[in-house]
Amino acid sequence: DIQMTQSPTSLAASVGESVTITCLASEDIYGSLVWYQQKPGKSPQLLIYGATILEDGIPSRFSGSGSDTQYSLKINSLQPEDFASYYCQNGLSTPFTFGSGTKLEIK
Amino acid sequence: QVQLKESGPGLVQPSQTLSLTCTVSGFSLTSYNVHWVRQPTGKGLEWMGVIWTGGSTDYNSALKSRLSISRDTSKSQVFLKMNSLQTEDIATYYCARGPYYGYTSYVMDAWGQGASVTVSS
Repeated sequence: DIQMTQSPTSLAASVGESVTITCLASEDIYGSLVWYQQKPGKSPQLLIYGATILEDGIPSRFSGSGSDTQYSLKINSLQPEDFASYYCQNGLSTPFTFGSGTKLEIK
Repeated sequence: QVQLKESGPGLVQPSQTLSLTCTVSGFSLTSYNVHWVRQPTGKGLEWMGVIWTGGSTDYNSALKSRLSISRDTSKSQVFLKMNSLQTEDIATYYCARGPYYGYTSYVMDAWGQGASVTVSS
C-alpha cells in the first residue's frame, strides 16, 4: 500500500504570510496527488487534484506542485478563512490513503 | 445540485454491527463512484472503501474483514456495514462522490455532512 507522509503536523502563521505544506508518497504516484481543506465541524473540501490543478472556485493564492513522490501545497497571502486543516491524498490507486493532516493556525 | 446525506444510528453497542446509508441526489451511482471515509474526533481522515460505478468494491485492508459496501441504484443509496464494532471505531463517517478527474486523479469532490457514531453499552 502507498503511504502518505505529511508535514508539518501543525503550523502557525499570520494573515498575509505564505506557508508551504509537504506530502511524501512511499512510491511514485505519477502526479496523482490530491489536496483537501477541512474547517472545524465541516466536511473536507477538494482544493487541488493532479498535484497542480485547482478545483473550480478555489482562489489562486492556493497552488500545488511536485512529481514522483514529493508534493507540496503553498498558500500565498493567507486570509482568515484559510486557517483550517489540510490533507493530502493518494489519487492514483486503492487504497486512497490520506496524509495525517496539517493544522494551520493563526499566530 | 449534488447532495449526499449519511443516516443511521448514532449509537452502536460494542461487538455489534454498524449500518449506515448514504442517500445521494443530483447524480447517478452508475456514473460516479462513492467512497466512505471516517474521522475520529480531533484526528485525521481514514479512507475505508469505495463502490465503483460497475458495483465492484475495494476496501482498506485494515478494515476488509469487517466491512461491506453495497448499493441500491434504484433508490440512489449506498450502504456501509461494519461488524464487531469497538471503541476505536468511534468517529464521524462520511460518504463522498468520487470521480476520476482530468485523467489524473481519483478525487472526492462532494461530501456528505457526516454521521457521528459512538460505540457504547
